[in-house]
This record gives sequence, structure tokens and C-alpha cells, in this order.
Amino acid sequence: GAVVSQHPSWVICKSGTSVKIECRSLDFQATTMFWYRQFPKQSLMLMATSNEGSKATYEQGVEKDKFLINHASLTLSTLTVTSAHPEDSSFYICSARDGGADHNEQFFGPGTRLTVL
Amino acid sequence: GQNIDQPTEMTATEGAIVQINCTYQTSGFNGLFWYQQHAGEAPTFLSYNVLDGLEEKGRFSSFLSRSKGYSYLLLKELQMKDSASYLCASMDSNYQLIWGAGTKLIIKP
Repeated sequence: GAVVSQHPSWVICKSGTSVKIECRSLDFQATTMFWYRQFPKQSLMLMATSNEGSKATYEQGVEKDKFLINHASLTLSTLTVTSAHPEDSSFYICSARDGGADHNEQFFGPGTRLTVL
Repeated sequence: GQNIDQPTEMTATEGAIVQINCTYQTSGFNGLFWYQQHAGEAPTFLSYNVLDGLEEKGRFSSFLSRSKGYSYLLLKELQMKDSASYLCASMDSNYQLIWGAGTKLIIKP
């Protein structure tokens, strides 16, 4: 099956700093990538949808200036959490949709656990 | 509005069978997905249904009734490693996944 990687797997940072998370599709071209956030014992919450070469579409309540998304190529999307605060601590997961697949399945990266001190 | 309902938690015994139900209401429909998520890990794909009926894949089967807005995931010969959360997600007309809150499955020896 298709493989999606995320980097880093976990990160600890100080309050006020920015953190960049990379999401890569390794063996397919991802026309669309999705960024999710998941708090403990809660379901996935879609933050934004990004299409290669265009601006991301953010879900209601997600600050676009705080969570910067760049989908510069068909295999790479980045999420930058700017001026992170402790309440941004969460499990961030990306997924990528293979435009050539039969049923638009989303392939998930392994996730990035962010802890803001 | 869009809504996915599934039980919060279920308990079953090792070796037994369990059925996890999911009802959905979405704007348009392009299929129903089931994912498995172990604690601290990302979801992994289990099944996809877009036509009515049962899809069998080893110990796992998934059923869909489009007219009823209903799906279930059937797990047979339960193993301890099946303890996880099972997420139901409906794909809407924009090909966006609408996620349920997940069902935490606890397997007891």
C-alpha cells in the first residue's frame, strides 16, 4: 500500500516558538493532503485540506495565521505551528489522498506528538 | 447537518465475534471507511464500502446499507491485538471524510 511519512515523530518546544511538521507521500503523488489534530481520547479533528499549488482550506475555528500550511509539491506538505502554546500540545496527523487510487482512500502518516512547555 | 454515530466503547472476549455499528448522515456519499487506531498511533485502513452488501477480508468484514445510512464492522476470532479504537468515516460529495468519534474495543481473555 501507499506510504506516508511524517517528520518529526515527536517534538518538545518552548512556548512562543514555532514548529514545522513535514508530511511526505513516498510512493505516490498526493493531489490532496489533510492535516488532523487529535487530543487524548478524542476523535480526529480535521484542521485543513491542502491541494498542491493552491491555498489550504481551513476548517471553522482553525486559525490560518497560526497553523501555516504549504503544499509545495505533489509529495510534500508542511504544517507550521507558529508561536506555539501549551494548549497546542496534541497529536498531529497528516493524510494523503492518492488521486490515482480507485476509491480516494486516505493514507495516514504515523503522526507527530507535539508537547509545548 | 453531517453526523456519524458509533458506540463509545465495547467489550468482547478473545476468540469471540463482535459487531461495531455505525450510522451516518452526510451531504452526498462517496463511500464508507473503517479505520483501526491503536493508542498513540495513526489510523490504519481496514475497509471501504460504496455498494450495499458485505465485504469480507480475512477476520474482518464490513457491511453497508445506503438506504438506511448504516454500516457495521464485524470482527471474528478476536485476538488481544484487536484491542483498539475503530473509526467509522463517511466520504461526502466533496470527497472529504466525516469522522465518527470512534469505538474503543476492549478484548478480555
